[in-house]
Amino acid sequence: AQSVTQLDSQVPVFEEAPVELRCNYSSSVSVYLFWYVQYPNQGLQLLLKYLSGSTLVKGINGFEAEFNKSQTSFHLRKPSVHISDTAEYFCAVNVDSNTGKLIFGQGTTLQVKP
Amino acid sequence: DTAVSQTPKYLVTQMGNDKSIKCEQNLGHDTMYWYKQDSKKFLKIMFSYNNKELIINETVPNRFSPKSPDKAHLNLHINSLELGDSAVYFCASSPGGRGTTGELFFGEGSRLTVL
Repeated sequence: AQSVTQLDSQVPVFEEAPVELRCNYSSSVSVYLFWYVQYPNQGLQLLLKYLSGSTLVKGINGFEAEFNKSQTSFHLRKPSVHISDTAEYFCAVNVDSNTGKLIFGQGTTLQVKP
Repeated sequence: DTAVSQTPKYLVTQMGNDKSIKCEQNLGHDTMYWYKQDSKKFLKIMFSYNNKELIINETVPNRFSPKSPDKAHLNLHINSLELGDSAVYFCASSPGGRGTTGELFFGEGSRLTVL
């Protein structure tokens, strides 16, 4: 069965430190991968996406992710976090290109401390 | 001008009532979705319409009925509300069509509380 696993439910980190949020997926179809961010009491906003091509993908707010096919991973990174990055982060994979059905990981809460 | 808008944003109601949530998108997309986010923030797809045709219908109680009068609108009606229906319901849209990547554009969510 197709699935997405976010390996950390919470990641506490100090401001200006680097961070990595881990995501592993399993999919039997062409892989389209996404990271979304959800700020408190808001909807989800696209951070970045991997559709094809370069395995290193750059997104908004200084985030980037690397698609690793052999390890079926799509980890999200930022070299220096800000307090404003405190939010919930979701990894997602497209499991059906006919319908665009996305399944989401369980989410990772990034807590940036001063 | 909000791309995907949902109303109401908050909804508090009693068990057994019937309620509706409305969604509209002005992005010109062909496909719209309803997702449910539970108290643990887990997101689960419920339904999807492509140009007024139901294309995703997950295992959801039949008390939930989606309706799409046109491709810019997708409503969710819930009958006989139960405590377990309390959640945040997100509407989303995507360009859709065969070969779609599935990139979603989300609304702000509608928080439903059943007492």
